[in-house]
Amino acid sequence: SAVISQKPSRDICQRGTSLTIQCQVDSQVTMMFWYRQQPGQSLTLIATANQGSEATYESGFVIDKFPISRPNLTFSTLTVSNMSPEDSSIYLCSATRYGGIDTEAFFGQGTRLTVV
Amino acid sequence: GENVEQHPSTLSVQEGDSAVIKCTYSDSASNYFPWYKQELGKRPQLIIDIRSNVGEKKDQRIAVTLNKTAKHFSLHITETQPEDSAVYFCAASSVVEGKIIFGKGTRLHILP
Repeated sequence: SAVISQKPSRDICQRGTSLTIQCQVDSQVTMMFWYRQQPGQSLTLIATANQGSEATYESGFVIDKFPISRPNLTFSTLTVSNMSPEDSSIYLCSATRYGGIDTEAFFGQGTRLTVV
Repeated sequence: GENVEQHPSTLSVQEGDSAVIKCTYSDSASNYFPWYKQELGKRPQLIIDIRSNVGEKKDQRIAVTLNKTAKHFSLHITETQPEDSAVYFCAASSVVEGKIIFGKGTRLHILP
């Protein structure tokens, strides 16, 4: 299985500011994703991080609010921009080693974000 | 896009009894169905998965079944133990897109 390091593990931020979360995978993976998990809820997919190109966003999420980069196969960042208390959540990075029939996802430990 | 429905949202089971969690999916292109266990404050952990070329898979006390025609899949936990208490998520993945879409989760309580 792949090891995913995500940082920071938690942060408390002022509203109106931005936070960038980093995700590093220990081996080359095919795909990387970012999820949000609000308290007591399931994981909601924010976007697919595409290497060297713009991320693919799910309905309800936009690039201006959640810019994502993936400069190489093993690293990605998610920025939560112009934060409000509604952005308080856990953000999880996920990676898969192969696509298609062999898809298996691994998760980072998550970033617990509190916006005050 | 894919939509995954999961039931029940909460399940209480006497220790030693079996627990069953059911899911349905909407996208007939999905062919990978993982199940995750999440304990409080921790990341989701893969516990078992099934691919569309098989109908059932078992790993010790855990089994998963898949009915592709009906777009149903289920998780079965036998001889439940206190450490099985957690939130369980089913999920489905599309071959083309590779992304994994999660159900809303089932909070499983094992009663002593």
